[in-house]
Amino acid sequence: DTGVSQDPRHKITKRGQNVTFRCDPISEHNRLYWYRQTLGQGPEFLTYFQNEAQLEKSRLLSDRFSAERPKGSFSTLEIQRTEQGDSAMYLCASSLVPNNYGYTFGSGTRLTVV
Amino acid sequence: AQKITQTQPGMFVQEKEAVTLDCTYDTSDQSYGLFWYKQPSSGEMIFLIYQGSYDEQNATEGRYSLNFQKARKSANLVISASQLGDSAMYFCAINLPIGTSYGKLTFGQGTILTVHP
Repeated sequence: DTGVSQDPRHKITKRGQNVTFRCDPISEHNRLYWYRQTLGQGPEFLTYFQNEAQLEKSRLLSDRFSAERPKGSFSTLEIQRTEQGDSAMYLCASSLVPNNYGYTFGSGTRLTVV
Repeated sequence: AQKITQTQPGMFVQEKEAVTLDCTYDTSDQSYGLFWYKQPSSGEMIFLIYQGSYDEQNATEGRYSLNFQKARKSANLVISASQLGDSAMYFCAINLPIGTSYGKLTFGQGTILTVHP
């Protein structure tokens, strides 16, 4: 068990380009969460999956954002037509329900839109 | 909706001394979980301690303890014998039950802790 992996660690993109991030959760974890964190703030919830089903989406997840977890294992988060306001750290976490306390976070993907 | 408030943007402590980081929460649910995470400058979120709303005893994990005062809706983190490596951002978080399990974590704004030698 190598923990939660996120790829890439850093991404610099030009405004208007599309970007895709990947998260590999702990293998036995059935829940996967995406968060966005701007500098000096706490992580903000974006969406989460239980197995392959997307159970909740935040209002922060605009039409330009889409997340998938096609086989209930890894997940991707795509941002289309990036804007400077999308610059942030994107964190992924996984957990095993019904345990309540075992949220494990990845190291995040830092996105910079120039 | 649940809410977490951390009123201390920054805290300073001398090495080897104890420090308390404040956290208050707001929820009408009787069942919830409270968490503290540490985020060093490298960015990863490190789990420190968990307290369930029905746990009668305050949670402890090594040098970390959670001062849980349910009536006041506070869940302060106490770090004893501070070390230089404790310098980091600290986040308090809460989750609520959804059906038979629990849902997402909602985080506070964080407190930056600086430990002086």
